[in-house]
Formats: sequence, C-alpha cells, structure tokens
Amino acid sequence: EVQLVESGGGLVKPGGSLRLSCAASGFTFSSYTMNWVRQAPGKGLEWVSSVSGGSSYINYADSVKGRFTISRDNAKNSVDLQMNSLRAEDTAVYYCARTGCTSCYADYWGQGTLVTVSS
Amino acid sequence: EIVLTQSPGTLSLSPGERATLSCRASQSVSSSYLAWYQQKPGQAPRLLIYGASSRGTGTPDRFSGSGSGTDFTLTISSLEPEDFAVYYCQQYGSSPRTFGQGTKVEVK
Repeated sequence: EVQLVESGGGLVKPGGSLRLSCAASGFTFSSYTMNWVRQAPGKGLEWVSSVSGGSSYINYADSVKGRFTISRDNAKNSVDLQMNSLRAEDTAVYYCARTGCTSCYADYWGQGTLVTVSS
Repeated sequence: EIVLTQSPGTLSLSPGERATLSCRASQSVSSSYLAWYQQKPGQAPRLLIYGASSRGTGTPDRFSGSGSGTDFTLTISSLEPEDFAVYYCQQYGSSPRTFGQGTKVEVK
C-alpha cells in the first residue's frame, strides 16, 4: 500500500524557517517524481515544487523560488522541503504527492501538514 | 502560465441527479494532460481522472471526463451521497502545473 506521511509543520514567525519531511512507503521511491502542493485555509490548490527520481530535475513555483529548497534521499525514501524567509502568505496545509514523471498527474497524496506563519 | 477557470463555483444538486462541471484553459493543454481531483473537508485531494478521460484506480464509472484543447468536462452521471465535495481540475503538461479554483458540489 502506498503511503505518504508528512511531518514538520507548525507555527513560525515571519522571516523564520521550517523544514517539512515526507516519508514514503509501499512503492519504489526512486522511480517517482515527488512534489509539494499547498492549500491556504479555505482556498484552492497550488503546486509548490517537484524533484525527479534521481534529483536531476527540480522545479519551483515563482512564489517560492529562492526561498524554498526541495531535496530527496532515496536511501531513506524521503523528500524534504526547506522553507526559509517565510511569509504570512505561506500559511497553508502542505501536501506531499507522487507523480509518475515530471509531467504527470499526482496519483497519491499524503494527508498534509499545517504551516502557520504568524507573529 | 496556463490559467484554468472552473464553472460553476457551486453546484446545488440532489442525490441521483447528473452533475456537469466545466474547466476552461487560457491556452491549449498539451496532449490532454488534464486531471480531475476530488477533495472532501479535512482530507487530501484524490485523483479521479487523468489524461482528460481516463479513470484513476478505484474511480467509479459514474465519473467520466471529456474534452480537449481548452475545454474540459467532468460528469457525474448519478450523484451518490459520498460525491458531495469540491472538485479541482489541473493541467500537468506545462510548467507551472496549475489548478482551477474548484467547483463545490453541494446537496440541494
């Protein structure tokens, strides 16, 4: 069974940093592109970042470029999102999602972790 | 960036009725790389349709997708109680991948 479990969310002050992690199981992790998608309270979905299976392809939404860094560890079946210079508008539930390639749909999603940026 | 516009914003229907949801793109979606997701309150999105018309694993056959280019449709042939939720379309052929703003299907 495919499982994606996010962790690391919490309350952080504007300008602060947070590191999210997603632990994957139930599939050959290195064969899949992993993604972060976020959802602000009461709002729609926004793709944040993607990393290909071998980390050769990494991409970011313009809204987070230069502030967020995605990375993965295929030995540990995990993908992280390092978030720096956080702003109030980064407040959201962050979902980890699996895609079969860099231009593919997300077939499995984690349950999400809430990040709140507030003073 | 491809902007996806979903309509209507809210659809008020009764169980057993047919639901038709629209997703219009600001430019052509390459190779029909269009997906539909269902999201219930407090839950993660769930894949329903990919490639505009292919059902995901476990998607009931009352859900169908159609369209190409800039106009796409999700149809629920006969609403079941568990189908009342928010539905999002997403294009994944161009970067950045973008989502529509969602259509809420609510009980009339």
